[in-house]
Amino acid sequence: AAGVIQSPRHLIKEKRETATLKCYPIPRHDTVYWYQQGPGQDPQFLISFYEKMQSDKGSIPDRFSAQQFSDYHSELNMSSLELGDSALYFCASSQQGDYEQYFGPGTRLTVT
Amino acid sequence: QKEVEQNSGPLSVPEGAIASLNCTYSDRVSQSFFWYRQYSGKSPELIMSIYSNGDKEDGRFTAQLNKASQYVSLLIRDSQPSDSATYLCAVNFRLANAGNMLTFGGGTRLMVKP
Repeated sequence: AAGVIQSPRHLIKEKRETATLKCYPIPRHDTVYWYQQGPGQDPQFLISFYEKMQSDKGSIPDRFSAQQFSDYHSELNMSSLELGDSALYFCASSQQGDYEQYFGPGTRLTVT
Repeated sequence: QKEVEQNSGPLSVPEGAIASLNCTYSDRVSQSFFWYRQYSGKSPELIMSIYSNGDKEDGRFTAQLNKASQYVSLLIRDSQPSDSATYLCAVNFRLANAGNMLTFGGGTRLMVKP
């Protein structure tokens, strides 16, 4: 079965640079979620979108923004990167009305 | 105080035994509960979801939910070394504008010894 696709899988950036992470949900899934997982920590919810509209917002820094496009893929834009932004970034998707979220393989971001 | 709590472990069981993983959650209106398995450096993999009180079985896995006690558990029968991973309990709390935000419980590291 098709899964969530994320790109790139690995990304190395320097402090104060910008990064864009992409997520392609499972076909027919219309809701996308972004999570950040630091070393030894839980995934922390950042933001979610349903039908191209932001539906919930968690602990997302103001330096980050995200959007969902007409084909339901989503992009997480991260600016003025800090060392503390180094983490695994997961995208998950679900169908509206279904609470089960399926996670993508993640993007490992390293900020040097 | 965390809204969802798990014992971080490690929980060590011999191969073939039953592994019992527990999770408690705070006193809020909760509607759905999930268990994810996460191998080191990999993404969380959904293995069980449960929405109503009682037991739900799927293969070697059984999820148990007791809303009165605010408690959810996962039993793994006939544990295999390949089950060694971190198990994340996740709860979808019903908030005013909740949507589907998951709150995780920190995870329990399970080690199955051959």
